Amino acid sequence: DGGITQSPKYLFRKEGQNVTLSCEQNLNHDAMYWYRQDPGQGLRLIYYSQIVNDFQKGDIAEGYSVSREKKESFPLTVTSAQKNPTAFYLCASRMGVMGNTGELFFGEGSRLTVL
Amino acid sequence: EDQVTQSPEALRLQEGESSSLNCSYTVSGLRGLFWYRQDPGKGPEFLFTLYSAGEEKEKERLKATLTKKESFLHITAPKPEDSATYLCAVPNYFGTGTSLTVIP
Repeated sequence: DGGITQSPKYLFRKEGQNVTLSCEQNLNHDAMYWYRQDPGQGLRLIYYSQIVNDFQKGDIAEGYSVSREKKESFPLTVTSAQKNPTAFYLCASRMGVMGNTGELFFGEGSRLTVL
Repeated sequence: EDQVTQSPEALRLQEGESSSLNCSYTVSGLRGLFWYRQDPGKGPEFLFTLYSAGEEKEKERLKATLTKKESFLHITAPKPEDSATYLCAVPNYFGTGTSLTVIP
């Protein structure tokens, strides 16, 4: 079945540690996105990538980093510089590149808790 | 900057009681208004895309409409399984959602 796979589903981290969230898609989509969701704040865009080896900052990129070495993969690293990392993280993909605005397909999310 | 405002934040309906959710938007050029459904602890699922004022789309008990400034998601005779958070987006920027609870 085609879709987006995020892992891990739950992750606990101590303060000061970097963690990497995995996102893999087999939909052959060009564009991939990372969102953060906090209670009452909806989804906020962290980073997005329209093509391999290229990515752009979203509204809340500080304290996060990404890479896009393969079309299928868009991992997100939450660094120790992120002041409030506890959140629900959602990865999404979309067919097409700049200007094509079809619907987003989402993974099941990764819930990060900093202890 | 694109902005999306959804209302109400929460809505409780009796089963069969129809209502509407609102999504007001401000964009420099509309490239689609999207509605998604999100169940607790899950990723959002796509429902509808609307591109131009006057456009309408339907799916089972849901109907989405679009004007130049806002979109409505009409829910007709809802059932408990319609309980979820409904999100709108334009197209990468999301509102905070409306949490719908349908009581049997």
